[in-house]
Amino acid sequence: SAVISQKPSRDICQRGTSLTIQCQVDSQVTMMFWYRQQPGQSLTLIATANQGSEATYESGFVIDKFPISRPNLTFSTLTVSNMSPEDSSIYLCSVATTTQGVDTDTQYFGPGTRLTVL
Amino acid sequence: AQSVAQPEDQVNVAEGNPLTVKCTYSVSGNPYLFWYVQYPNRGLQFLLKYITGDNLVKGSYGFEAEFNKSQTSFHLKKPSALVSDSALYFCAVRDRWYNFNKFYFGSGTKLNVKP
Repeated sequence: SAVISQKPSRDICQRGTSLTIQCQVDSQVTMMFWYRQQPGQSLTLIATANQGSEATYESGFVIDKFPISRPNLTFSTLTVSNMSPEDSSIYLCSVATTTQGVDTDTQYFGPGTRLTVL
Repeated sequence: AQSVAQPEDQVNVAEGNPLTVKCTYSVSGNPYLFWYVQYPNRGLQFLLKYITGDNLVKGSYGFEAEFNKSQTSFHLKKPSALVSDSALYFCAVRDRWYNFNKFYFGSGTKLNVKP
């Protein structure tokens, strides 16, 4: 499976500011995803990060609030813009369809970024 | 619509006893089913999956799961629980029809294994 890292691991931010979260994979992957998770609760898919094109957002999530970049097959960023306390959550990056491996069915997750907005 | 249900918010079991974490699903066609585990302050770790073939699949850390098509279930099991198995467990189904890359996650079940 791929090794996925996220930066920062946690942050405390002020209302109205923006935070960019980085996701780095140790091998080229076809698909990258961003999820949000309230502590102890289920995951909600924010968007699929597409390499070379605009991200595909799920219902309830918009590009102005959560801009995503995917400049290559191993890296993506998620920005949480104009933050409010309601954005306090864990943000998880995941990858699938590893091109250098044989497992094309499974999503693998990064360690997550714990965000607190004051 | 695709969906996954985990009917138990929490499961308590004594160390050494068998454990079961329940999952039922609703999908169109044949499902791809997964189990993940999340330890405190960590991301999700892949445990096992069912794609096709034998209904009993074996995964990491001694866990296994049984796919039951007639009951639309995919319960996670382990013959002898360890205290270190205490964590949050998620069942997931992969959409094979409308968006092949989209996973639907259950609400999670907290497993408590008491010494």
